Amino acid sequence: GAVVSQHPSRVICKSGTSVKIECRSLDFQATTMFWYRQFPKQSLMLMATSNEGSKATYEQGVEKDKFLINHASLTLSTLTVTSAHPEDSSFYICSARDLTGADTIYFGEGSWLTVV
Amino acid sequence: GEDVEQSLFLSVREGDSSVINCTYTDSSSTYLYWYKQEPGAGLQLLTYIFSNMDMKQDQRLTVLLNKKDKHLSLRIADTQTGDSAIYFCAERAPSGSARQLTFGSGTQLTVLP
Repeated sequence: GAVVSQHPSRVICKSGTSVKIECRSLDFQATTMFWYRQFPKQSLMLMATSNEGSKATYEQGVEKDKFLINHASLTLSTLTVTSAHPEDSSFYICSARDLTGADTIYFGEGSWLTVV
Repeated sequence: GEDVEQSLFLSVREGDSSVINCTYTDSSSTYLYWYKQEPGAGLQLLTYIFSNMDMKQDQRLTVLLNKKDKHLSLRIADTQTGDSAIYFCAERAPSGSARQLTFGSGTQLTVLP
């Protein structure tokens, strides 16, 4: 079946640095990908919708200059957390929309970000 | 606004059936999904049902949809310890909507030996 891959699965970075997380659709083209953040024992919070070839659409309260999203190809979206702070530490999950068949949304494995 | 609700916890004994319930408010939902999340992992799509169906069965999983009551359930037959996880239901807005998936809070399923 369709697979969405995220990389890295875990990353530790220093405060003030930037870190990039990649989201790839491995066997389908995804014009739309989504980035979520999940706090411990909570549901997923949609951060932004990433559209191939255009600017991402951010949810209210999400700083677009802090969470840079690039969707340069039909199989890759990236989330860059700029000038990371400890409060940015979280589990980030991407998903990708597969328009073939049942128009399903598949999720990546998630990326744990720890900012020290 | 749109809302999806689930109970937070469910415990069952190994071998019994588990039933996880979900209610939603948006009557224009097109697809409804069940995802499984194991500790520290992403979401795994378990199954989905189109809004014009009332039942879907896939091996040990049975999804029931009562569109009139906006109630969705996931039944896991012969529950195993490996089924212990958080289960999220999600409803999907129609194509063209600015909103895509709305998730419930997740139900923590604990399978007791």
